[in-house]
This record gives sequence, structure tokens and C-alpha cells, in this order.
Amino acid sequence: SAVISQKPSRDICQRGTSLTIQCQVDSQVTMMFWYRQQPGQSLTLIATANQGSEATYESGFVIDKFPISRPNLTFSTLTVSNMSPEDSSIYLCSVRGTGASNTEAFFGQGTRLTVV
Amino acid sequence: TQLLEQSPQFLSIQEGENLTVYCNSSSVFSSLQWYRQEPGEGPVLLVTVVTGGEVKKLKRLTFQFGDARKDSSLHITAAQPGDTGLYLCAGAAGNQFYFGTGTSLTVIP
Repeated sequence: SAVISQKPSRDICQRGTSLTIQCQVDSQVTMMFWYRQQPGQSLTLIATANQGSEATYESGFVIDKFPISRPNLTFSTLTVSNMSPEDSSIYLCSVRGTGASNTEAFFGQGTRLTVV
Repeated sequence: TQLLEQSPQFLSIQEGENLTVYCNSSSVFSSLQWYRQEPGEGPVLLVTVVTGGEVKKLKRLTFQFGDARKDSSLHITAAQPGDTGLYLCAGAAGNQFYFGTGTSLTVIP
């Protein structure tokens, strides 16, 4: 299993500013995933963060808007840059389990972002 | 993109009723998971099904994996208010998980 601490849990931000979300895992993992979720809806993958290389972004998401850091095997950050109200959403980090848990995804508690 | 369609999208039922949620895909998955998410939390795994035709039970919840490993269902018997939440199916392919469109369940006391 994996325990993920994500912070902040929520924030209200002014448009045009940036917010950095942190994700700490209690074990070393190769890949970390960042998702966006509208309340009550499914998850949309933003990017996959690998240690030692640039993140891989999904269609519709770009590095300039969502820069990601992955300085080591237990930590990652996602920055939401130059925010607009359309960025209001829940952001989740996730890892894939290892060993017997490798078919399971583990999640942080999410960051609820409101841009005003 | 491997799409997992869930139905229904929204479900509001009275306590004690039964319900079934469906997860359908055109792709074959080596395994399929069901997660439940409560407000302010990340999704939490309920079950993983691996073998085509497999049925797993978790108390009042029954999960079935289709023979062709493209679809799955979740049946809840005698729903309780504590079952309220967002239910997500997910398929693992490569290093990624592909999540279903979600079913938001509300159980009214």
C-alpha cells in the first residue's frame, strides 16, 4: 500500500496567480500521476511525473500551464499557473501500488481549488 | 484513449433499495477495479477483478467482471446512507489507469 499526503487540501486564489500543490508518498515510486476532477465527475489525467525526466502531459495540458517537479522518488509538485476561474477544480495526485498492490491506484485526499 | 462508460451517471434511491451500476468498454483490460470516493477525499479501492466471469462479494456489494473482460457491474443490496458517494470503475493498461465516467449515488434515509 501507499500513503499519500497532499497539501493544501483547499485554497481560494485570485486569477492570474499561481498555486503549487505538494504530494508526498511514504514509499519510493517510479511514477506519480496528477489528475483533475470536477466535483462528482470522473478523473482526467493531467500528466505522469517520472523522477529524473520531464513529465509526460496528456492532450490538452501543457507544461507552461501545469509545470511539474519530481525531485525524488517520494515527492512531486504540480503548479497551476496564471490561474483563471476555469481552473477551479479538484486536483489529485496518485501512485500505482507495487507488488501485490500493483493493480491498485492510491490517492491523496485532493486539493480543492477555487479561482476568483 | 481507452474509454470506460458508466451508467447511470446519477442515482438517487431510498435506503433499503437495490441498485446496479454498469461499466462498459470496447477495450480488454487485464484487470478492472472499482473505487468509491467521498467528498473531500481521494478514491479508495473497493475491489479488483482479474478473471473473466469472476464474481466477488464484499458484504452487500457484488462485483462481476464480464467474460470478455471488457465490462463489469457493481450491485448493491439493501443500500444504506453510508453507501453514498461517487463510484468509479478503472482499468489498468500499461502503466496507467483509465477511469470510468463515474456514478454519483445518493442513498436517502
